Amino acid sequence: EVQLVQSGAEVKKPGESLKISCKGSGYSFTNYWVVWVRQMPGKGLEWMGIIYPGDSDTRYSPSFQGQVTMSADKSINTAYLQWSSLKASDTAMYYCARRSYYDNSGLDHWGQGTLVTVSS
Amino acid sequence: DIQMTQSPPSLSASVGDRVTITCRASEDIKNYLAWYQQKPGKLPKLLISAASTLQSGVPSRFSGSGSGTDFTLTISSLQPEDVATYYCQKYNRAPWTFGQGTKVEIK
Repeated sequence: EVQLVQSGAEVKKPGESLKISCKGSGYSFTNYWVVWVRQMPGKGLEWMGIIYPGDSDTRYSPSFQGQVTMSADKSINTAYLQWSSLKASDTAMYYCARRSYYDNSGLDHWGQGTLVTVSS
Repeated sequence: DIQMTQSPPSLSASVGDRVTITCRASEDIKNYLAWYQQKPGKLPKLLISAASTLQSGVPSRFSGSGSGTDFTLTISSLQPEDVATYYCQKYNRAPWTFGQGTKVEIK
């Protein structure tokens, strides 16, 4: 069974750092992009960027370039999203998802989401 | 960057109605377009890839069409369980932008 399991909810203060994770199982991790998607409370889906775990090729949305860092460790089938200095405006649900590296298909499996709350 | 414009932002229709949602890309994306359904408090679910390929297990009342810049998601007979927000997404090249979403309600 394909699964993407994300790390648990986080409550942080402005200025703090954070790294959340997304672990894939039940499929070949290096045959898929890992995609990160933000959903702010009551708002739509925002594409943050992608990473290919095979060689860590990373592409960021212009809106998130320089604000977050994506990484992956293919030896443990895990991708990461990190912030060096959180802001209150980073409060949101963050999803990881996968998309085939080879096929014309959308994001077919999603993690359960990690709720990040940033508040003083 | 290519913009994805979805319309309408919301709609209200009766059970059994035919519902159409459109998505327009600012440049040619060929057929690199997906549609998702997100029910309140739930994960997004992939309905359609490659503009018109229905995902396994998705009811046949859902269909997608289009290529290039103009795309359509159609629900042929709206059911109560279809209440959700629907998003298009292009993925020909990064950024894989989502549309703004269309909220579908029952009248």
